Amino acid sequence: SQTIHQWPATLVQPVGSPLSLECTVEGTSNPNLYWYRQAAGRGLQLLFYSVGIGQISSEVPQNLSASRPQDRQFILSSKKLLLSDSGFYLCAWTQGAETQYFGPGTRLTVL
Amino acid sequence: AQSVTQLGSHVSVSEGALVLLRCNYSSSVPPYLFWYVQYPNQGLQLLLKYTSAATLVKGINGFEAEFKKSETSFHLTKPSAHMSDAAEYFCAVSDGPYGGYQKVTFGIGTKLQVIP
Repeated sequence: SQTIHQWPATLVQPVGSPLSLECTVEGTSNPNLYWYRQAAGRGLQLLFYSVGIGQISSEVPQNLSASRPQDRQFILSSKKLLLSDSGFYLCAWTQGAETQYFGPGTRLTVL
Repeated sequence: AQSVTQLGSHVSVSEGALVLLRCNYSSSVPPYLFWYVQYPNQGLQLLLKYTSAATLVKGINGFEAEFKKSETSFHLTKPSAHMSDAAEYFCAVSDGPYGGYQKVTFGIGTKLQVIP
């Protein structure tokens, strides 16, 4: 069966510091991968998606970037965090099917 | 363009009462529709999905939803609420996978409170 992992689970970072969040999927190959951000009362906002290694599409301009160095690894990064980057970050995957499956999430607080 | 409207950001029901969470969608093509549940500080878990098969869809934990094309609705119901149903529920719509990418639009969520 397929499993999706995210780490860290929680993170507290000062403004201006770098960020790296990691997502990995097990039990499948060549998945489509997605990064979402969830802010209080605002639902889920799609940040990036990837259909293959090195292929990244950005949905909204922002202070964040994404990379996919391996087939089942998706990384969300920032060089300098802003207060507005605080939120709950969710990784999801699909493989040909229509359903997105989500990881456990990372709670990021920028102070 | 696709969109989702969830009516009521907060819903309260008594334990044992009917749960009804409303969702209306817009889509230019026959949609795929989903309901997800999220418990505090956890990821989203799929409750059920509609993909153009039976219009009444049964999911996990006793939930079901009915696709009504004429009303562009996909409301979520459960006959008898349980305390463990307290969570946030998200309705989502997708036009389906195309070009290897699936764009899903989520509603803003409905927080369900179950009163003992």
